[in-house]
Amino acid sequence: KQEVTQIPAALSVPEGENLVLNCSFTDSAIYNLQWFRQDPGKGLTSLLLIQSSQREQTSGRLNASLDKSSGRSTLYIAASQPGDSATYLCAVIGGATNKLIFGTGTLLAVQP
Amino acid sequence: EAQVTQNPRYLITVTGKKLTVTCSQNMNHEYMSWYRQDPGLGLRQIYYSMNVEVTDKGDVPEGYKVSRKEKRNFPLILESPSPNQTSLYFCASSFPHGLNEQFFGPGTRLTVL
Repeated sequence: KQEVTQIPAALSVPEGENLVLNCSFTDSAIYNLQWFRQDPGKGLTSLLLIQSSQREQTSGRLNASLDKSSGRSTLYIAASQPGDSATYLCAVIGGATNKLIFGTGTLLAVQP
Repeated sequence: EAQVTQNPRYLITVTGKKLTVTCSQNMNHEYMSWYRQDPGLGLRQIYYSMNVEVTDKGDVPEGYKVSRKEKRNFPLILESPSPNQTSLYFCASSFPHGLNEQFFGPGTRLTVL
């Protein structure tokens, strides 16, 4: 059974710092990995999608990497801003049902 | 604008009073699904649909029904809501293959008294 874990559970950094969020999964047979952002009580915004054949994707200040063999992904946020404060979720798809299996999330606070 | 919409966004109801949460997408996606999010339990899939008239159970289907009569709509039905169905509900859609990005609606916060 696929399990997805995110470390750390919470992170507080000063504005301007570069940071890395970690995601690990137990079964390397995945189709893709998707990173989301969730603001308190709000919906999920898709940030980046990495397909299983890819090793990284970039969007603006965000860079996500994928190492299927080790069951790991990282989300790198450059020059963090207070507006980046949110919960970040990673999720993998491994089966034919398209079901997303979500990690536990990392709550990020960027202090001005 | 490409989007997934849900209605209502907030709902307070009482035990046993049937309700429907609507979900609609304008991206011509074949695949749609429902998740619930609970503190400490994360996001769990309730039901999914691979295409019109094709639906199946997710991980936590008890107490819920769905239908997919049109490609764009995928309503979630609670025929006799109970307090343990108090949760934040999300609808999602994508093209069918697992390689495709999934898009989520804004969520429906349901409270059952």
